[in-house]
Amino acid sequence: AQSVAQPEDQVNVAEGNPLTVKCTYSVSGNPYLFWYVQYPNRGLQFLLKYITGDNLVKGSYGFEAEFNKSQTSFHLKKPSALVSDSALYFCAVRDGSRGSTLGRLYFGRGTQLTVWP
Amino acid sequence: DAGITQSPRHKVTETGTPVTLRCHQTENHRYMYWYRQDPGHGLRLIHYSYGVKDTDKGEVSDGYSVSRSKTEDFLLTLESATSSQTSVYFCAVGQGNYGYTFGSGTRLTVV
Repeated sequence: AQSVAQPEDQVNVAEGNPLTVKCTYSVSGNPYLFWYVQYPNRGLQFLLKYITGDNLVKGSYGFEAEFNKSQTSFHLKKPSALVSDSALYFCAVRDGSRGSTLGRLYFGRGTQLTVWP
Repeated sequence: DAGITQSPRHKVTETGTPVTLRCHQTENHRYMYWYRQDPGHGLRLIHYSYGVKDTDKGEVSDGYSVSRSKTEDFLLTLESATSSQTSVYFCAVGQGNYGYTFGSGTRLTVV
């Protein structure tokens, strides 16, 4: 079975400081991993994904994420946070193995990121 | 952009009435999904579809039904709305290795 855990409901950082939003996953096959961001009263927007290749992937708005297979983690990072990064962040996983059905994503519960000036 | 439109954007309805939410896409995607979003629960899958007239249940399907008579439209019906179904509902289309693209959501209030 597939599942995602985001252990922190909230992350608070000061503007200009680095930020990390944590995600761990469980999947029976090859993990396809995603991060989405949701701004107030909006739908979820794609940030970045890991399918294969380099463990460090770069995405939109200066975000990056590091895939760690041994720790089954896919933490979202940014070297210098902006107030405008304040939003709700969701990690998601899909089983990328051949034969997995429907390409369905399993989502974590979300982490509210607040960046204060 | 997968050209996803959800309607209505907001709706207030009375307990016991049926309600239908519509998701419309313009790019012929095969897979479509309905989620609800509630504080503390994140996104929970209600129903999904893998083609015209091919649908299946998600984790929280009780009290909901869906229909997909055309590729572009995926309808979610609350058969008899209850206050516990007050939520924000999101439609998504699957784009293979690119994950999902989401609609803007429908905020439903059942009074």
